[in-house]
Amino acid sequence: SQKIEQNSEALNIQEGKTATLTCNYTNYSPAYLQWYRQDPGRGPVFLLLIRENEKEKRKERLKVTFDTTLKQSLFHITASQPADSATYLCALERRGGADGLTFGKGTHLIIQP
Amino acid sequence: NAGVTQTPKFQVLKTGQSMTLQCAQDMNHNSMYWYRQDPGMGLRLIYYSASEGTTDKGEVPNGYNVSRLNKREFSLRLESAAPSQTSVYFCASTERGEWETQYFGPGTRLLVL
Repeated sequence: SQKIEQNSEALNIQEGKTATLTCNYTNYSPAYLQWYRQDPGRGPVFLLLIRENEKEKRKERLKVTFDTTLKQSLFHITASQPADSATYLCALERRGGADGLTFGKGTHLIIQP
Repeated sequence: NAGVTQTPKFQVLKTGQSMTLQCAQDMNHNSMYWYRQDPGMGLRLIYYSASEGTTDKGEVPNGYNVSRLNKREFSLRLESAAPSQTSVYFCASTERGEWETQYFGPGTRLLVL
């Protein structure tokens, strides 16, 4: 079955530095990959989508890469701020074209002032 | 626009009791989803509705039923609640197309004693 792995441990980064989060997947070749942000007590919020034929996507201080050979996506936040502290979820389309998304467990990012 | 709304926000049930979680969206989306989120497990798809009048099982449908009442509303019913159904439940919607960016509600926190 398709499997998504994200760092389960919290990632502590000093304010102003670049935070890099990793999403690895197996047993599937998705047409696209998405990243969501989730704050405590709230629902996930969509951030970026990258397609299989795109190597990199940017939005303001966010950058996502997608390496279909390595089956890996990297999510970067440059010039990180304490307000960027949250859990970040990686999501793939469900295998076989079924509706909905398969989510990773998320990485908790802490930006320390 | 309110986006995706869910009621109730929090509920405590005893084992064997039943309840219905309500979800509504005002974005005129065709597809709606129910996920549950548990610590260490990530978001898992329970049921989805690709369009009004259709529903399908996701990864963890056992113990649940759904109703797509109309295009706006998608309810999740627990007929006989069990402690294993203690979780946070999220409803989401999307305009079904090639790239499924999902919009999530604020969640319902359910505790089954």
